[in-house]
Amino acid sequence: EDQVTQSPEALRLQEGESSSLNCSYTVSGLRGLFWYRQDPGKGPEFLFTLYSAGEEKEKERLKATLTKKESFLHITAPKPEDSATYLCAVQAIWGNTPLVFGKGTRLSVIA
Amino acid sequence: DAGVTQSPTHLIKTRGQQVTLRCSPKSGHDTVSWYQQALGQGPQFIFQYYEEEERQRGNFPDRFSGHQFPNYSSELNVNALLLGDSALYLCASSSLPLSGGYSYEQYFGPGTRLTVT
Repeated sequence: EDQVTQSPEALRLQEGESSSLNCSYTVSGLRGLFWYRQDPGKGPEFLFTLYSAGEEKEKERLKATLTKKESFLHITAPKPEDSATYLCAVQAIWGNTPLVFGKGTRLSVIA
Repeated sequence: DAGVTQSPTHLIKTRGQQVTLRCSPKSGHDTVSWYQQALGQGPQFIFQYYEEEERQRGNFPDRFSGHQFPNYSSELNVNALLLGDSALYLCASSSLPLSGGYSYEQYFGPGTRLTVT
Protein backbone atom coordinates (compact mmCIF):
# COMPACT_ATOMS: atom_id res chain seq x y z
CA GLU A 1 0.00 0.00 0.00
CA ASP A 2 1.30 3.43 -0.96
CA GLN A 3 1.99 5.66 2.06
CA VAL A 4 3.17 9.19 2.72
CA THR A 5 4.38 10.52 6.08
CA GLN A 6 5.12 14.19 6.61
CA SER A 7 7.10 15.75 9.43
CA PRO A 8 6.93 17.80 11.47
CA GLU A 9 3.16 18.12 11.87
CA ALA A 10 3.56 21.81 12.68
CA LEU A 11 6.46 24.23 12.40
CA ARG A 12 6.76 27.74 13.72
CA LEU A 13 9.50 29.95 12.27
CA GLN A 14 10.62 33.51 12.70
CA GLU A 15 10.65 35.56 9.52
CA GLY A 16 13.96 34.90 7.76
CA GLU A 17 14.61 31.63 9.62
CA SER A 18 15.21 28.95 6.97
CA SER A 19 14.09 25.35 7.51
CA SER A 20 13.02 22.14 5.75
CA LEU A 21 9.89 20.03 5.66
CA ASN A 22 10.16 16.26 5.22
CA CYS A 23 8.03 13.85 3.18
CA SER A 24 8.82 10.13 3.49
CA TYR A 25 7.07 7.79 1.08
CA THR A 26 6.60 4.17 0.08
CA VAL A 27 5.14 3.44 -3.32
CA SER A 28 5.20 0.43 -5.61
CA GLY A 29 6.61 2.47 -8.44
CA LEU A 30 6.89 6.26 -8.40
CA ARG A 31 5.51 8.22 -11.32
CA GLY A 32 5.67 11.52 -9.51
CA LEU A 33 5.89 13.23 -6.15
CA PHE A 34 3.87 16.41 -5.77
CA TRP A 35 4.00 19.34 -3.38
CA TYR A 36 0.95 21.49 -2.77
CA ARG A 37 0.30 24.54 -0.62
CA GLN A 38 -3.09 24.82 1.08
CA ASP A 39 -4.48 27.89 2.80
CA PRO A 40 -7.23 27.40 5.42
CA GLY A 41 -10.57 26.45 3.87
CA LYS A 42 -9.16 26.52 0.33
CA GLY A 43 -8.18 23.88 -2.21
CA PRO A 44 -4.55 22.79 -2.56
CA GLU A 45 -2.42 24.93 -4.88
CA PHE A 46 0.06 23.04 -7.04
CA LEU A 47 3.73 23.86 -6.40
CA PHE A 48 6.06 21.19 -7.82
CA THR A 49 6.28 17.79 -9.43
CA LEU A 50 9.43 15.67 -9.00
CA TYR A 51 9.91 12.51 -11.04
CA SER A 52 13.29 10.97 -10.22
CA ALA A 53 15.85 10.83 -7.44
CA GLY A 54 18.27 13.74 -7.56
CA GLU A 55 15.79 16.10 -9.16
CA GLU A 56 15.39 19.60 -7.71
CA LYS A 57 12.91 22.38 -8.46
CA GLU A 58 12.72 25.95 -7.19
CA LYS A 59 10.07 28.61 -6.95
CA GLU A 60 10.79 31.87 -5.16
CA ARG A 61 11.79 30.93 -1.58
CA LEU A 62 10.88 27.24 -2.01
CA LYS A 63 13.11 24.42 -3.22
CA ALA A 64 12.00 20.79 -3.48
CA THR A 65 14.37 17.84 -3.65
CA LEU A 66 13.81 14.11 -4.11
CA THR A 67 15.60 10.92 -3.06
CA LYS A 68 14.44 7.32 -3.45
CA LYS A 69 12.71 7.39 -0.05
CA GLU A 70 11.91 11.00 0.77
CA SER A 71 11.48 14.53 -0.43
CA PHE A 72 12.37 17.80 1.25
CA LEU A 73 10.78 21.19 0.84
CA HIS A 74 13.37 23.79 1.79
CA ILE A 75 12.12 27.25 2.71
CA THR A 76 14.74 29.98 2.54
CA ALA A 77 14.23 33.23 4.46
CA PRO A 78 10.48 32.69 4.84
CA LYS A 79 7.97 35.53 5.07
CA PRO A 80 4.63 35.61 6.93
CA GLU A 81 2.80 35.07 3.63
CA ASP A 82 4.45 31.64 3.38
CA SER A 83 2.29 30.51 6.31
CA ALA A 84 0.11 27.63 5.10
CA THR A 85 -0.19 23.85 5.21
CA TYR A 86 2.18 22.12 2.82
CA LEU A 87 0.97 18.80 1.45
CA CYS A 88 3.03 16.08 -0.15
CA ALA A 89 1.50 13.42 -2.42
CA VAL A 90 2.74 10.51 -4.50
CA GLN A 91 1.36 9.00 -7.66
CA ALA A 92 2.09 5.41 -8.62
CA ILE A 93 3.49 4.63 -12.02
CA TRP A 94 0.44 2.86 -13.37
CA GLY A 95 -1.50 5.30 -15.52
CA ASN A 96 -3.48 8.27 -14.30
CA THR A 97 -3.73 6.93 -10.76
CA PRO A 98 -5.00 8.93 -7.80
CA LEU A 99 -2.74 10.90 -5.52
CA VAL A 100 -1.94 9.53 -2.06
CA PHE A 101 -1.47 12.41 0.35
CA GLY A 102 0.28 12.89 3.64
CA LYS A 103 -1.40 14.80 6.45
CA GLY A 104 0.62 17.91 5.76
CA THR A 105 2.90 20.23 7.68
CA ARG A 106 1.30 23.35 9.10
CA LEU A 107 3.81 26.19 8.76
CA SER A 108 3.53 29.45 10.68
CA VAL A 109 5.98 32.27 9.95
CA ILE A 110 6.04 35.00 12.56
CA ALA A 111 7.11 38.55 11.74
CA ASP B 1 -7.84 30.30 -18.65
CA ALA B 2 -10.42 29.26 -16.06
CA GLY B 3 -9.21 26.92 -13.40
CA VAL B 4 -11.23 24.23 -11.66
CA THR B 5 -14.53 25.53 -10.32
CA GLN B 6 -16.81 23.96 -7.73
CA SER B 7 -20.29 24.72 -6.44
CA PRO B 8 -21.67 25.38 -3.98
CA THR B 9 -19.01 26.88 -1.70
CA HIS B 10 -20.72 25.86 1.50
CA LEU B 11 -23.57 23.52 2.29
CA ILE B 12 -25.39 22.53 5.47
CA LYS B 13 -27.46 19.34 5.48
CA THR B 14 -29.22 17.17 8.02
CA ARG B 15 -28.41 13.53 8.72
CA GLY B 16 -30.17 11.21 6.28
CA GLN B 17 -30.45 13.80 3.52
CA GLN B 18 -28.84 13.62 0.11
CA VAL B 19 -26.42 16.13 -1.44
CA THR B 20 -25.03 16.87 -4.92
CA LEU B 21 -21.77 18.73 -5.46
CA ARG B 22 -20.61 20.02 -8.83
CA CYS B 23 -17.27 20.51 -10.53
CA SER B 24 -16.06 21.98 -13.82
CA PRO B 25 -12.52 20.96 -14.80
CA LYS B 26 -9.71 23.20 -15.96
CA SER B 27 -9.84 23.99 -19.66
CA GLY B 28 -8.23 21.17 -21.66
CA HIS B 29 -8.61 18.56 -18.91
CA ASP B 30 -10.78 15.47 -19.37
CA THR B 31 -10.31 13.58 -16.09
CA VAL B 32 -11.97 14.50 -12.81
CA SER B 33 -11.08 13.11 -9.40
CA TRP B 34 -12.95 13.70 -6.15
CA TYR B 35 -11.34 13.83 -2.70
CA GLN B 36 -12.66 14.18 0.83
CA GLN B 37 -10.59 16.17 3.30
CA ALA B 38 -11.45 16.00 6.99
CA LEU B 39 -10.14 18.70 9.30
CA GLY B 40 -6.42 18.31 9.93
CA GLN B 41 -6.05 15.47 7.43
CA GLY B 42 -4.76 15.14 3.90
CA PRO B 43 -7.24 14.64 1.06
CA GLN B 44 -8.58 11.07 0.66
CA PHE B 45 -9.39 9.77 -2.83
CA ILE B 46 -13.06 8.98 -3.46
CA PHE B 47 -13.21 8.17 -7.20
CA GLN B 48 -12.08 9.25 -10.63
CA TYR B 49 -14.04 9.79 -13.85
CA TYR B 50 -12.76 9.62 -17.39
CA GLU B 51 -14.82 9.32 -20.57
CA GLU B 52 -17.99 9.49 -18.47
CA GLU B 53 -17.10 6.32 -16.57
CA GLU B 54 -15.85 5.68 -13.05
CA ARG B 55 -12.32 4.41 -13.60
CA GLN B 56 -11.02 4.05 -10.07
CA ARG B 57 -12.54 4.12 -6.62
CA GLY B 58 -11.10 4.60 -3.17
CA ASN B 59 -12.32 3.05 0.07
CA PHE B 60 -15.69 4.80 0.23
CA PRO B 61 -19.15 3.21 0.57
CA ASP B 62 -21.72 3.03 -2.21
CA ARG B 63 -23.50 6.01 -0.66
CA PHE B 64 -20.94 8.02 -2.60
CA SER B 65 -21.65 8.07 -6.31
CA GLY B 66 -20.79 10.29 -9.20
CA HIS B 67 -21.29 11.20 -12.79
CA GLN B 68 -19.33 12.81 -15.58
CA PHE B 69 -21.00 14.68 -18.41
CA PRO B 70 -19.92 14.94 -22.07
CA ASN B 71 -18.42 18.39 -21.39
CA TYR B 72 -16.18 16.72 -18.72
CA SER B 73 -17.91 18.39 -15.78
CA SER B 74 -18.79 16.12 -12.89
CA GLU B 75 -21.10 15.63 -9.95
CA LEU B 76 -20.58 13.93 -6.62
CA ASN B 77 -23.67 12.58 -4.88
CA VAL B 78 -23.80 11.45 -1.29
CA ASN B 79 -26.92 9.66 0.01
CA ALA B 80 -28.06 9.05 3.58
CA LEU B 81 -25.69 11.63 5.02
CA LEU B 82 -23.87 10.86 8.26
CA LEU B 83 -22.27 13.27 10.69
CA GLY B 84 -18.90 11.83 9.64
CA ASP B 85 -19.45 13.02 6.07
CA SER B 86 -18.79 16.58 7.21
CA ALA B 87 -15.63 17.62 5.36
CA LEU B 88 -14.15 19.71 2.57
CA TYR B 89 -14.88 18.00 -0.76
CA LEU B 90 -12.28 18.69 -3.40
CA CYS B 91 -12.43 18.20 -7.12
CA ALA B 92 -9.21 17.85 -9.11
CA SER B 93 -8.79 17.78 -12.87
CA SER B 94 -6.02 16.38 -15.00
CA SER B 95 -5.32 15.11 -18.47
CA LEU B 96 -3.27 12.35 -20.02
CA PRO B 97 -0.32 14.01 -21.73
CA LEU B 98 -0.81 14.10 -25.48
CA SER B 99 2.86 13.42 -26.18
CA GLY B 100 3.10 10.43 -23.84
CA GLY B 101 5.12 12.40 -21.34
CA TYR B 102 5.03 12.26 -17.57
CA SER B 103 2.78 15.07 -16.47
CA TYR B 104 -0.25 13.82 -14.59
CA GLU B 105 -0.47 16.90 -12.44
CA GLN B 106 -3.82 17.37 -10.80
CA TYR B 107 -5.20 20.85 -10.25
CA PHE B 108 -7.66 21.38 -7.46
CA GLY B 109 -10.73 23.54 -7.15
CA PRO B 110 -11.54 25.64 -4.08
CA GLY B 111 -13.67 22.89 -2.55
CA THR B 112 -17.15 22.61 -1.10
CA ARG B 113 -17.45 22.70 2.68
CA LEU B 114 -20.20 20.25 3.69
CA THR B 115 -21.55 20.35 7.22
CA VAL B 116 -23.93 17.60 8.34
CA THR B 117 -25.96 18.32 11.49
